[in-house]
Amino acid sequence: DADVTQTPRNRITKTGKRIMLECSQTKGHDRMYWYRQDPGLGLRLIYYSFDVKDINKGEISDGYSVSRQAQAKFSLSLESAIPNQTALYFCATSGSPPDGEAFFGQGTRLTVV
Amino acid sequence: AQSVTQPDIHITVSEGASLELRCNYSYGATPYLFWYVQSPGQGLQLLLKYFSGDTLVQGIKGFEAEFKRSQSSFNLRKPSVHWSDAAEYFCAVGEQGGSEKLVFGKGTKLTVNP
Repeated sequence: DADVTQTPRNRITKTGKRIMLECSQTKGHDRMYWYRQDPGLGLRLIYYSFDVKDINKGEISDGYSVSRQAQAKFSLSLESAIPNQTALYFCATSGSPPDGEAFFGQGTRLTVV
Repeated sequence: AQSVTQPDIHITVSEGASLELRCNYSYGATPYLFWYVQSPGQGLQLLLKYFSGDTLVQGIKGFEAEFKRSQSSFNLRKPSVHWSDAAEYFCAVGEQGGSEKLVFGKGTKLTVNP
């Protein structure tokens, strides 16, 4: 089984719809992240959580919200999807610094039409 | 703010040729630096990382990278490229240490000609 599992892997949704992307990890790490990848822009941080009670905005949090349901689960929601949120979304988890390596999920390709 | 620059958007090399992918970073303290590879349709896989110590680090798949503080660079190298190395490569810096809040470069796409 994968260390970080994202569901769904692909999703097409309509403008204005609410959608949730789910992430679970089996690494036992406290730190979890959501990144967005756009062609030519690399990955950018949306939200991060250092433990269940800790949620923080990243570089591009507008239009997104998150929920940390448990140590192993971190969900990303688009309350009202818009076309420019079409992107590849990655969930990741990492151990404590300084040696903690980040492990990424396979990604969720979201298309908003 | 921290930033990472990958000057080459796309590089094409012949199979068996050597490879160097450039990465420059901006970071005030001792950087935690990473190289990731993304094959088509896949997630990101860590190739190697630098936290401290020896400035030449070895990674998986025959890759290595050299940290040069004076040049703010962390270039990725491979002596002989294989067709399976075709992918997109991302350099990243750990904003708060380790892998927390990674800041990524925009990536370099590698094409390998037979």
